[in-house]
Amino acid sequence: KQEVTQIPAALSVPEGENLVLNCSFTDSAIYNLQWFRQDPGKGLTSLLLIQSSQREQTSGRLNASLDKSSGRSTLYIAASQPGDSATYLCAVRWIQGAQKLVFGQGTRLTINP
Amino acid sequence: NAGVTQTPKFQVLKTGQSMTLQCAQDMNHEYMSWYRQDPGMGLRLIHYSVGAGITDQGEVPNGYNVSRSTTEDFPLRLLSAAPSQTSVYFCASSPGQPEQYFGPGTRLTVT
Repeated sequence: KQEVTQIPAALSVPEGENLVLNCSFTDSAIYNLQWFRQDPGKGLTSLLLIQSSQREQTSGRLNASLDKSSGRSTLYIAASQPGDSATYLCAVRWIQGAQKLVFGQGTRLTINP
Repeated sequence: NAGVTQTPKFQVLKTGQSMTLQCAQDMNHEYMSWYRQDPGMGLRLIHYSVGAGITDQGEVPNGYNVSRSTTEDFPLRLLSAAPSQTSVYFCASSPGQPEQYFGPGTRLTVT
């Protein structure tokens, strides 16, 4: 079964720290992987998308990496700020069943001033 | 350009009632989908559509119906609401691959 797992479920760090969020997935035959941000009571905002042929993508203080062979992706946030507090969701689209996006459970991130 | 819109934002139903959650997009996207999000869980795909007149089931389709008569609209119908359908529902649209654009969600409570 194609599954996406995010650990930990929650993370709290002091402002200014660099941090890494983890995402693991079964079956390395992926089409792409996407990281989303969700603020409380809101919809999802796409942060970064990594195609199967790519190893990483960067946007500002965010860097997402992809290692298909190990079934892992990481989202690196540099110099964290209180405004980064949100739930971060990882979602995978596999080659088989490419119309379907499968989400992890999310990591709830709190940045303490 | 409003993007993806969903109505209503909040809804309370009694067990056995029916209702339709509305979703519309003005980006001329072919692909639209419905997800539900339960506490502590990621989003799970309910139904999706790859174009007008074409729909298919996702991971958790039971208890829900959909139809796609136009490119713009993709309503989700609950025929007989159950407490297990209490959730936040998100609609999304996409021009194909790779990204999806999400609506703000509908928070549904079934008592």
